[in-house]
Amino acid sequence: GAGVSQSPSNKVTEKGKDVELRCDPISGHTALYWYRQRLGQGLEFLIYFQGNSAPDKSGLPSDRFSAERTGESVSTLTIQRTQQEDSAVYLCASSSLAGGPYNEQFFGPGTRLTVL
Amino acid sequence: GENVEQHPSTLSVQEGDSAVIKCTYSDSASNYFPWYKQELGKRPQLIIDIRSNVGEKKDQRIAVTLNKTAKHFSLHITETQPEDSAVYFCAASIQGSYIPTFGRGTSLIVHP
Repeated sequence: GAGVSQSPSNKVTEKGKDVELRCDPISGHTALYWYRQRLGQGLEFLIYFQGNSAPDKSGLPSDRFSAERTGESVSTLTIQRTQQEDSAVYLCASSSLAGGPYNEQFFGPGTRLTVL
Repeated sequence: GENVEQHPSTLSVQEGDSAVIKCTYSDSASNYFPWYKQELGKRPQLIIDIRSNVGEKKDQRIAVTLNKTAKHFSLHITETQPEDSAVYFCAASIQGSYIPTFGRGTSLIVHP
């Protein structure tokens, strides 16, 4: 079946502009995660959505970052007033959580953001 | 919160050799430890995981061991092949949490 998709695959923007990144999770997956991966670095947790519960925003680095998710479908990550240090690959992942927390996360291909 | 350290950051081996990647975690309440493989330019994919109620798990050429007392776990790849070349990430999840903490990754290079 279809995996997690993300758009755009690449985004180049100027410092100070706002950007919006989109994630389409696997159908039926109630959990959705956003991560940031800087070049040569690990996966930095940003935000977690689970069904209709309040999201866990504990990983968002600043108030310039926000994310929304409508029900159990599409999610958008918005970065306002982008800075050069925001340049990274932004990965989205979804999980079914059918077996509790021991569930595989399925990652999207990522959006490579470059802030000039 | 949880802190996961991963070593080495880079590992270079000859085809056919074994490779071992080690991770340590800080929170004794962690009970789920997945490993993800990320090939160049591709998305991370789960390759193996282990729960804290077992000490070892194998799947063909890969195995993961867990030492709860020492709070470390390791990925073992035997008979390495060039297609094993990738970045490997370990992670740990605290019991009750759905948010894993990832290590910084190990770049494994298998020379033919």
